[in-house]
Amino acid sequence: GQQLNQSPQSMFIQEGEDVSMNCTSSSIFNTWLWYKQDPGEGPVLLIALYKAGELTSNGRLTAQFGITRKDSFLNISASIPSDVGIYFCAGHGSGNTGKLIFGQGTTLQVKP
Amino acid sequence: DVKVTQSSRYLVKRTGEKVFLECVQDMDHENMFWYRQDPGLGLRLIYFSYDVKMKEKGDIPEGYSVSREKKERFSLILESASTNQTSMYLCASRIFLGQPQHFGDGTRLSIL
Repeated sequence: GQQLNQSPQSMFIQEGEDVSMNCTSSSIFNTWLWYKQDPGEGPVLLIALYKAGELTSNGRLTAQFGITRKDSFLNISASIPSDVGIYFCAGHGSGNTGKLIFGQGTTLQVKP
Repeated sequence: DVKVTQSSRYLVKRTGEKVFLECVQDMDHENMFWYRQDPGLGLRLIYFSYDVKMKEKGDIPEGYSVSREKKERFSLILESASTNQTSMYLCASRIFLGQPQHFGDGTRLSIL
């Protein structure tokens, strides 16, 4: 079945640093989504991408839909302590029933 | 704003009990989903529904059933709870196919 490989698995950075994480797939995806999950909470949608090459920002967050439709990245600029959490990529593969495929998550820790 | 409400944040039940987890959305969304989230296993789809009174099995439906009598409400039922159903349960909804899913805050269920 379709799978997403998300990397890195975890990151420990200094406040103020920029962060980059990405997801890759062996098959084409029609939609890429990025979520953030705080401990004990449900995932919250950060950015949705619908077209190959699309670059979208949400405050300090920027995400891109890869031109091959098989990858996406999320950048966080000038990280702050409240950026701590687990970031998930997710997507709708081509020809599926509309089920979301999730990456394994990137755990981000920010040192003040 | 999107609002998906799960009836309980924390729930403790005993083995063999019938357990009901309720989820309500107020955005007139067509599709609703139930996931469980376990460390190291990520989010796994239990059941989903594309319309009232419709339901489809996800990847791990065994031991669960669902009910969708009204568009805004999607219930997950553990017919006879077992300890291996201790988990974080997440409900999600989306307006229609291809659009992002929005998650509730989750129910952390413990089966003793």
